[in-house]
Amino acid sequence: GEDVEQSLFLSVREGDSSVINCTYTDSSSTYLYWYKQEPGAGLQLLTYIFSNMDMKQDQRLTVLLNKKDKHLSLRIADTQTGDSAIYFCAVYNQAGTALIFGKGTTLSVSS
Amino acid sequence: GAGVSQTPSNKVTEKGKYVELRCDPISGHTALYWYRQSLGQGPEFLIYFQGTGAADDSGLPNDRFFAVRPEGSVSTLKIQRTERGDSAVYLCASSSPGQNEQFFGPGTRLTVL
Repeated sequence: GEDVEQSLFLSVREGDSSVINCTYTDSSSTYLYWYKQEPGAGLQLLTYIFSNMDMKQDQRLTVLLNKKDKHLSLRIADTQTGDSAIYFCAVYNQAGTALIFGKGTTLSVSS
Repeated sequence: GAGVSQTPSNKVTEKGKYVELRCDPISGHTALYWYRQSLGQGPEFLIYFQGTGAADDSGLPNDRFFAVRPEGSVSTLKIQRTERGDSAVYLCASSSPGQNEQFFGPGTRLTVL
């Protein structure tokens, strides 16, 4: 079945760039997603990229997609303490009926 | 406008009891999804409704779990004979036709003692 993998932790200093990486096994998903989850809060869609694109930029966020290697990354420029959260990579399953999530990367930002 | 709402926000029950978790999707969203998130894990798919019917229930772990959406709006996830392993946050999401984004509710934290 489909699988999505992420590194579990990332620690950066305020003002630095953060890069969160994700690999996936199934490439049938039309869109690939990054969700953010803050403590006690629900999942919030941060950004997504169409599978035919290599890169998408949205203010401080840059998404890179390497379809050949099935690798997706999220770069956060000028990371702030408010960016501390868990970030989930997600793709649709083959049937297009459900999102498959990674285990999440906990981003810790120190001042 | 109002987002996806879920009730209760917290539910504590005893092993063997029956529980119902409710999801109220965004008005007009025909697609509704249930996920379960255990501690330290990402959300795992349980069931997907398109309108009133369950289009994909392949994620339900066993026959103790059942979900309904009788009028194509509110959905109820029902768990019979709860077990300690059912303890998790149950998330609901909805989306509208042709929209690729799923909007998530805040979740119901279920604790089975």
